Amino acid sequence: GAVVSQHPSWVICKSGTSVKIECRSLDFQATTMFWYRQFPKQSLMLMATSNEGSKATYEQGVEKDKFLINHASLTLSTLTVTSAHPEDSSFYICSARGYTGGDEQYFGPGTRLTVT
Amino acid sequence: SQELEQSPQSLIVQEGKNLTINCTSSKTLYGLYWYKQKYGEGLIFLMMLQKGGEEKSHEKITAKLDEKKQQSSLHITASQPSHAGIYLCGASSNTGNQFYFGTGTSLTVIP
Repeated sequence: GAVVSQHPSWVICKSGTSVKIECRSLDFQATTMFWYRQFPKQSLMLMATSNEGSKATYEQGVEKDKFLINHASLTLSTLTVTSAHPEDSSFYICSARGYTGGDEQYFGPGTRLTVT
Repeated sequence: SQELEQSPQSLIVQEGKNLTINCTSSKTLYGLYWYKQKYGEGLIFLMMLQKGGEEKSHEKITAKLDEKKQQSSLHITASQPSHAGIYLCGASSNTGNQFYFGTGTSLTVIP
C-alpha cells in the first residue's frame, strides 16, 4: 500500500527556535497533504490543507505565520514551526492523498515535538 | 467545517464485555472512516463506510453507517486489552478538500 513518512519522528528544541518537519509520500504522488496536531488524550485537529504548488489553506485559529507549510513537490510537504514555544509541544501528523487509484489518504507515523 | 461528535468521550470496560462507540455528524457523510490510535503513535485504519445502511466487520469489530448517513457506530464484541486505545472517526468535508476527525473516544480494557 501507499506509504507516507515523516522526519524527524521526534525532536526537542529550545524555545524561540524554529523546527521543520518533513512529510513524504514514498510511492505515490500526493496532490494534497494535510497537517494535524494532537495533544494528549485529545483527537487530531486539522491545521491546514496544502495542494502541490499552491498556498496552504489554514483552519480557523491556526496562525499561518507561525506554522509555515510548503508543498513544493508532489512527494514532499514541510511544516515549519517558527519561534517555537512550550505550548507548541505536541504530536504532529501529516497525511497525503493523491494518485493511488482511490480517494483514500495515508497517514504518516507522526512527529513528537517538545519545546523546552 | 465538518463537525464529528463522538460518544462516549472515554470508556472503561472489563475484558470480555461488549461496547459501542458512536460518531455523529452535523452534515451528511460521504465516506466515514474509523481509526485506532495510541497517543504519540500513528493511526491504524479500521474500516471505511460509504453507503447508507452499510455494515462492515473485521475480527471482533463491526461498524455501521445509518441510512441517513449522519451517524456511525463502532461495536467491539468481547473486548480484550489489545483493543485499548483512542478510537477516531473521520470524514471528508462535503467539498472533499478537508478531512476532519471526530472528538475521539479513549477506551481502556481492564484485564
